[in-house]
Amino acid sequence: DSGVTQTPKHLITATGQRVTLRCSPRSGDLSVYWYQQSLDQGLQFLIQYYNGEERAKGNILERFSAQQFPDLHSELNLSSLELGDSALYFCASSVSGRDNEQFFGPGTRLTVL
Amino acid sequence: QQQVKQSPQSLIVQKGGISIINCAYENTAFDYFPWYQQFPGKGPALLIAIRPDVSEKKEGRFTISFNKSAKQFSLHIMDSQPGDSATYFCAASITQYGNKLVFGAGTILRVKS
Repeated sequence: DSGVTQTPKHLITATGQRVTLRCSPRSGDLSVYWYQQSLDQGLQFLIQYYNGEERAKGNILERFSAQQFPDLHSELNLSSLELGDSALYFCASSVSGRDNEQFFGPGTRLTVL
Repeated sequence: QQQVKQSPQSLIVQKGGISIINCAYENTAFDYFPWYQQFPGKGPALLIAIRPDVSEKKEGRFTISFNKSAKQFSLHIMDSQPGDSATYFCAASITQYGNKLVFGAGTILRVKS
């Protein structure tokens, strides 16, 4: 158990809908990262937040957005969902000063029908 | 330039044997090279990592060998056990650019008992 929690574990929704994925980092970790894992694209970095501020952005679609709240939990919002958005979404966190060492949560499996 | 190429795609090793997974990169700005282990239904777990100023790092049965001039690094699993059967990902990141991890495509390891 990495100490990173993610909810929900599974999410099934329809095309065009909007969903919110939630992540709580390890206690004391200020950085939160979001990754997408799919069969065709593998593990891809989406976005990073550090202490509430966006720090780095990857190939994140405009339909996707994220934020980190004052209590350091983070949410990833996915809107206008398409079939191709079906994937595993992982959150990772790291402690300040050792940001290379990222610890991953159990993931949220999103299925878009 | 941001790619990390991983091979083989899958690997079958006898119990007690040595498992070897290789990765290659192009971007010489990468300065951190971790390996992650992922079991079905779980998030990736940090296994071992190395920086380019070191040619080898060993932790228990796991060893990373790093060849800076060839821009290659590999994971060796000594005395492979059935419990090591999992998917292994190499990755690379640049500390200066927020530590986003660039992952290889993964290697499915099966250790036969």
